[in-house]
Amino acid sequence: DTAVSQTPKYLVTQMGNDKSIKCEQNLGHDTMYWYKQDSKKFLKIMFSYNNKELIINETVPNRFSPKSPDKAHLNLHINSLELGDSAVYFCASSLGLENTEAFFGQGTRLTVV
Amino acid sequence: AQSVTQLGSHVSVSEGALVLLRCNYSSSVPPYLFWYVQYPNQGLQLLLKYTSAATLVKGINGFEAEFKKSETSFHLTKPSAHMSDAAEYFCAVSDSTGNKLVFGAGTILRVKS
Repeated sequence: DTAVSQTPKYLVTQMGNDKSIKCEQNLGHDTMYWYKQDSKKFLKIMFSYNNKELIINETVPNRFSPKSPDKAHLNLHINSLELGDSAVYFCASSLGLENTEAFFGQGTRLTVV
Repeated sequence: AQSVTQLGSHVSVSEGALVLLRCNYSSSVPPYLFWYVQYPNQGLQLLLKYTSAATLVKGINGFEAEFKKSETSFHLTKPSAHMSDAAEYFCAVSDSTGNKLVFGAGTILRVKS
């Protein structure tokens, strides 16, 4: 029944590894997002997709590559992980580009050691 | 560019007392404004939103916020705090395209018994 679900919830990995975080929404929304929450709890948008098309890329390093196989999924792949990538990553979705009510997943806590 | 400032990273109130969490925004276009709540180890949940209709917005759990254009403020209030209100609260602003939310740094609310 979870509206926006992310897996895994926790991810601990070594520097230099490549990892993926999956996100799925069952709300029938057209727009999905990835947000990053750093250690100071500051939330910032990374990407948004609308109908599988990239709309926003907020100057995120190209080690981060989102992939949207369909409207209900937006996965985040991270190459060559760095210590500074440690954060909580939130997936969200909204009905459309002009509907700003975003529904958030529970977050994935990524720790790079 | 849009930005949000939340005054006070920590607010502590007694159970039953008034809750006031402050948010000021900056926006070159008419803003949409939001309050989200984050409970420990959970995702963000929308409390309420202002989208250019009534300036006094009522949300869930007894919270409300008033949009004051002259003061560029959108403060969150609740007449009587409950222990279950203890959480972190984020104010956010978006333009009417709804492409992205810009969040404030968050305010941790503590409720004392």
